[in-house]
Amino acid sequence: DSGVTQTPKHLITATGQRVTLRCSPRSGDLSVYWYQQSLDQGLQFLIQYYNGEERAKGNILERFSAQQFPDLHSELNLSSLELGDSALYFCASSVGSGGKETQYFGPGTRLLVL
Amino acid sequence: GQNIDQPTEMTATEGAIVQINCTYQTSGFNGLFWYQQHAGEAPTFLSYNVLDGLEEKGRFSSFLSRSKGYSYLLLKELQMKDSASYLCAVKDNAGKSTFGDGTTLTVKP
Repeated sequence: DSGVTQTPKHLITATGQRVTLRCSPRSGDLSVYWYQQSLDQGLQFLIQYYNGEERAKGNILERFSAQQFPDLHSELNLSSLELGDSALYFCASSVGSGGKETQYFGPGTRLLVL
Repeated sequence: GQNIDQPTEMTATEGAIVQINCTYQTSGFNGLFWYQQHAGEAPTFLSYNVLDGLEEKGRFSSFLSRSKGYSYLLLKELQMKDSASYLCAVKDNAGKSTFGDGTTLTVKP
């Protein structure tokens, strides 16, 4: 158990819908990272937040948005869902914002868009 | 942009040593990560190299040469539980990480 929690574990929805994925980092970790892993595109970095502020941005679509709240939990919002958004979404956390930090991954949310 | 290359598959014998290579091209380099991922599970952080040289952590070591755009992950005294996918990722100066497609390692008795 990494100490990072993600909810829900599984999500099935329809195209065009909007969903929110939630992540609670390990106690004391200030950074939260979001990743998408699909069969055809591998693991992709989406976005990083550090202590409530966006720190780095990856291949995140405009239909997706994220935020980190004062209690440091984070939410990833996916809207206008398409079939290709079906993937595993991982959240990870670390103490620092960069440098030699260990990232701890949550168990992931498996999203299926029908 | 960034381009990461690593072998798709490797096979090794229990107790042996295996080296997984990763080459990269990046417009700005700010560190290289190695992760282990067992099928159906989340990735597990193994190492982070930002300076040239070898870093050892138990049975696992990671090497980096920035001038060559090259890294390797060395696994010693292989165990069956080391069968997994090994992901190389490079972080650029903007903090964005790009992952390779992963190397699937199969350890045989």
